[in-house]
Amino acid sequence: DAGVIQSPRHEVTEMGQEVTLRCKPISGHDYLFWYRQTMMRGLELLIYFNNNVPIDDSGMPEDRFSAKMPNASFSTLKIQPSEPRDSAVYFCASRQGPDTQYFGPGTRLTVL
Amino acid sequence: AQSVTQPDIHITVSEGASLELRCNYSYGATPYLFWYVQSPGQGLQLLLKYFSGDTLVQGIKGFEAEFKRSQSSFNLRKPSVHWSDAAEYFCAVGGTSYGKLTFGQGTILTVHP
Repeated sequence: DAGVIQSPRHEVTEMGQEVTLRCKPISGHDYLFWYRQTMMRGLELLIYFNNNVPIDDSGMPEDRFSAKMPNASFSTLKIQPSEPRDSAVYFCASRQGPDTQYFGPGTRLTVL
Repeated sequence: AQSVTQPDIHITVSEGASLELRCNYSYGATPYLFWYVQSPGQGLQLLLKYFSGDTLVQGIKGFEAEFKRSQSSFNLRKPSVHWSDAAEYFCAVGGTSYGKLTFGQGTILTVHP
């Protein structure tokens, strides 16, 4: 299996621009998670889906952030408009039931 | 609510020395416990997990962890550390009743030659 796939791996954008991060979970996994990691705040859970339905978005910082999962093999995390404080590494992870959670390689976002 | 505490933010050991990283959890039922490792610039990789059964679990790269219910702990150990073990280590707790894992703040391991 190719594992969790994230794109792009690096994104540099200017403040105010829209940013879309993409994730392809492992086939057959019914949970998908979006995390953000920074030096100051560590690893934060932003939102997670079960069977493509958002279950808990309490970690989404504000309305500028939105996430979708239109089907079992694809999810997006969108930031509009982006701000410098959004600079972080964003991880996607997936798992099947309560079993092991597998992480993607991450997207390093820099907002200038 | 579930929570995880990793008391040590940063640990330094010499190559060849033994290692123990501490993890304490709070969970209302039988927990599922995990240790992940993150090398610089990389994603999180699973080292080992405990779901049930034998309380001493073996993982990859020579790591092991022991689940102690009475102490609410799941400490990670390695008898002899290698320079390549330098990384950040995360403990996490979850279970069948909750969809999400709760991660600790992480412990950064530095290995001196």
